[in-house]
Amino acid sequence: KAGVTQTPRYLIKTRGQQVTLSCSPISGHRSVSWYQQTPGQGLQFLFEYFSETQRNKGNFPGRFSGRQFSNSRSEMNVSTLELGDSALYLCASTAGSSYNEQFFGPGTRLTVL
Amino acid sequence: DQQVKQNSPSLSVQEGRISILNCDYTNSMFDYFLWYKKYPAEGPTFLISISSIKDKNEDGRFTVFLNKSAKHLSLHIVPSQPGDSAVYFCAASEAGGTSYGKLTFGQGTILTVHP
Repeated sequence: KAGVTQTPRYLIKTRGQQVTLSCSPISGHRSVSWYQQTPGQGLQFLFEYFSETQRNKGNFPGRFSGRQFSNSRSEMNVSTLELGDSALYLCASTAGSSYNEQFFGPGTRLTVL
Repeated sequence: DQQVKQNSPSLSVQEGRISILNCDYTNSMFDYFLWYKKYPAEGPTFLISISSIKDKNEDGRFTVFLNKSAKHLSLHIVPSQPGDSAVYFCAASEAGGTSYGKLTFGQGTILTVHP
């Protein structure tokens, strides 16, 4: 079974631009969660989608948004990029029930110049 | 407000010996705990988990212990191998609708296993 895939793996943008990251979950997994990892804040939860609905959201500004498609693939978008948005963005998938382990993709490394 | 804390940024162990990684939490609503291992340029890899109704879970060389009264969990790796060298993250989740898909992570502990 293929793992979680994320594209692109690396991205360089400038301040003020917007960016879209993509995540394809493990086949059969319907829940996708997104995380931001930075050296200062560690791994922080952004949001979670299940059956095309956002069920949970972390403490990030509205510039961070996401969506999920009917095939469970998910995208996250960051608008009006700031230098502090430079980070590793990770997505994770799970079957969707409460006590399932999350399986992570390799991440997208975003650098904002 | 860091709800999951790994107070040791790093740990160095000799090959063949036991590695013990520790994690403390403050949120009494956490009821499921997980350990992940992370290599550079890769996403975290799930290692082992434990529900709050248990106090121990084993999987091969990995054992996780949970002390609910102390709000403390630990990961034991026996015997340690050089390939275990990585960053280890402790994570926790709450049951219930407001916590869907959310894991709260500690800051990580860098484990180095010397040959």
